[in-house]
Amino acid sequence: DIQLTQSPSSLSASVGDRVTITCRASQTPSTFLNWYQRKPGSAPKLLIYGTSTLHSGVPSRFSGTGSGTEFTFTISNLQPEDVATYYCQQSHNIPFTFGPGTKVEIK
Amino acid sequence: QVQLQESGPGLVKPSGTLTLTCAVSGGSVTSGNWWSWVRQPPNKGLEWIGGVYHSGGTNYNPSLKRRVNMSVDKSKNQFSLKLTSVTAADTALYYCARDFSSSQGFDYWGQGILVTVSS
Repeated sequence: DIQLTQSPSSLSASVGDRVTITCRASQTPSTFLNWYQRKPGSAPKLLIYGTSTLHSGVPSRFSGTGSGTEFTFTISNLQPEDVATYYCQQSHNIPFTFGPGTKVEIK
Repeated sequence: QVQLQESGPGLVKPSGTLTLTCAVSGGSVTSGNWWSWVRQPPNKGLEWIGGVYHSGGTNYNPSLKRRVNMSVDKSKNQFSLKLTSVTAADTALYYCARDFSSSQGFDYWGQGILVTVSS
């Protein structure tokens, strides 16, 4: 299985800040690395797929990059509605696996 | 807009079989996408259980493969999950989801259904 770790596990930032989350994989998922936003009481929402492609309707302040075993997710201008837990997920190998999540809060 | 809705019992007895159904609306289960189940036990992470294609093809998480069966009912535009020999460890929030375009994540999700395994 490809194991995914995320850092940090939680963060607190101010509105307008740039926020970065790192996802590290135990082996490369190639480009099949996806990012989700999950708000309390809701299902995860796909934000980025294929490492860096923004899913339809997702604001451009969200972005993703990376290669090999290290991937980065960035919110360039943190907004109050971005308070959520963010997960990375690999869809390269069966079983598909998720990272443990990063909780983002507003200071 | 595709919508998914899970249904099934919220309580299952230990050693019993957990059966959930996911109704697809606004789209077809024969659309060419895979259809998956994902769960999250209390205070634990998200776990992909497996996926099913409308042709009957399946991919299961090896950790659950011995106990899992998934199927598609084209006439009802829905797909199902059966998990046998359940224990308290199978207590979780279960989601159905659509695989987006050749393993590029899950783009549509159901609201989730909490299933508790308890006598």
